[in-house]
Amino acid sequence: TAGITQAPTSQILAAGRSMTLRCTQDMRHNAMYWYRQDLGLGLRLIHYSNTAGTTGKGEVPDGYSVSRANTDDFPLTLASAVPSQTSVYFCASSAGGDRQTNEQFFGPGTRLTVL
Amino acid sequence: GQNIDQPTEMTATEGAIVQINCTYQTSGFNGLFWYQQHAGEAPTFLSYNVLDGLEEKGRFSSFLSRSKGYSYLLLKELQMKDSASYLCAQLDSNYQLIWGAGTKLIIKP
Repeated sequence: TAGITQAPTSQILAAGRSMTLRCTQDMRHNAMYWYRQDLGLGLRLIHYSNTAGTTGKGEVPDGYSVSRANTDDFPLTLASAVPSQTSVYFCASSAGGDRQTNEQFFGPGTRLTVL
Repeated sequence: GQNIDQPTEMTATEGAIVQINCTYQTSGFNGLFWYQQHAGEAPTFLSYNVLDGLEEKGRFSSFLSRSKGYSYLLLKELQMKDSASYLCAQLDSNYQLIWGAGTKLIIKP
């Protein structure tokens, strides 16, 4: 069972360039999330989607955009990367709805370096 | 915003017991999660508490006191493979997770 996959595993990106981080889940989960994780800080929510066709802003949405055209895919786009976006990015999903089903499952992460 | 507080780092000895504490703000509480994250890997689910008391799952147990805004993760019979970061996360009123910065647990032989 694949669960959640992310691509690429790592990337070095020049400042000012755009990039899309891909995330796909095969668990038919309604909710999906994008987090960034920086040393000494907790996971910070960038954007989320409670169901296909809807998205919402998290704690740190600036500089990022998402789309949720279908249940399985939730790509994260950086339109014009800046060095402060250097981080490890995790995609996660959950069944959503009531709290008993809100366990989140994480992808393996994408390590992004913006120079 | 809501704050989740947990120690930055703890050290324990193989075979011993360690308790990792977490405090959170009690407003808008819908549950408390613990996740384990090995270096360079993704977080994985350990436990979920929504009612007061202790939930035991093998060598790991998690405790919750809603009135005190307090939880702990108890790890027994520590093994070297338990060296990891342990993340506390509160499910808020919007059913979003608010994450602590994590506690790095170092196990010494």
